[in-house]
Amino acid sequence: EIVMTQSPATLSVSPGERATLSCRASQSVSSNLAWYQQKPGQGPRLLIYGASTRATGIPARFSGSGSGTEFTLTISSLQSEDFAVYYCQQYNNWPPGTFGPGTKVDIK
Amino acid sequence: QVQLVESGGGVAQPGTSLRLSCAASAFNFRSHAMHWVRQAPGKGLDWVAVISKDGDRKYYADSVEGRFTISRDNSQNTLYLQMNSLRAEDTAVYYCARVPTAMLNYYFDYWGQGTLVTVSS
Repeated sequence: EIVMTQSPATLSVSPGERATLSCRASQSVSSNLAWYQQKPGQGPRLLIYGASTRATGIPARFSGSGSGTEFTLTISSLQSEDFAVYYCQQYNNWPPGTFGPGTKVDIK
Repeated sequence: QVQLVESGGGVAQPGTSLRLSCAASAFNFRSHAMHWVRQAPGKGLDWVAVISKDGDRKYYADSVEGRFTISRDNSQNTLYLQMNSLRAEDTAVYYCARVPTAMLNYYFDYWGQGTLVTVSS
């Protein structure tokens, strides 16, 4: 079973700064990697699928890259509404819904 | 606007049962595989179960296999999760989630707001 890890666990960033989040898979997942944003009291929101394709309505400041085992989510200029927890998920291998433990982006 | 609205959560004693529902709207429900994903308080996302678009294939996480049953009623655009023999470790917010196709293992493009299940004596 594939294990997903994310780093750092917490990222403290000032508004307007760039944030770089990492996700690693224990074996190759090709480009079958998604990123989600979750705010308190809400369900997750799809940001990126296919490692680099933005979901409908997602601002261009969110970008994803990587393939195989190493992936990155970049938020180019953090806005106040971007402070949240971010999860990666692989969908290359069974079982479904293999998520990383999350990275919390908070205000510096 | 795609909507998924969960209901049926609450407080249950260990060993008892609960049935969750997820009402879907504004999309062709019968064309999509559907999942339940849960999140224990302060923890990450934990996949629970998946059902195929026709309801003929169902798969479960090891932690709930034999205790939980996923089902759907395509005529009512509703997804269900029957939870039996509840344990304290089942305490979580339960989300229903849609995948954008009929594929069972895919990313989740829409999520509900969740319903809280608390298992406590």
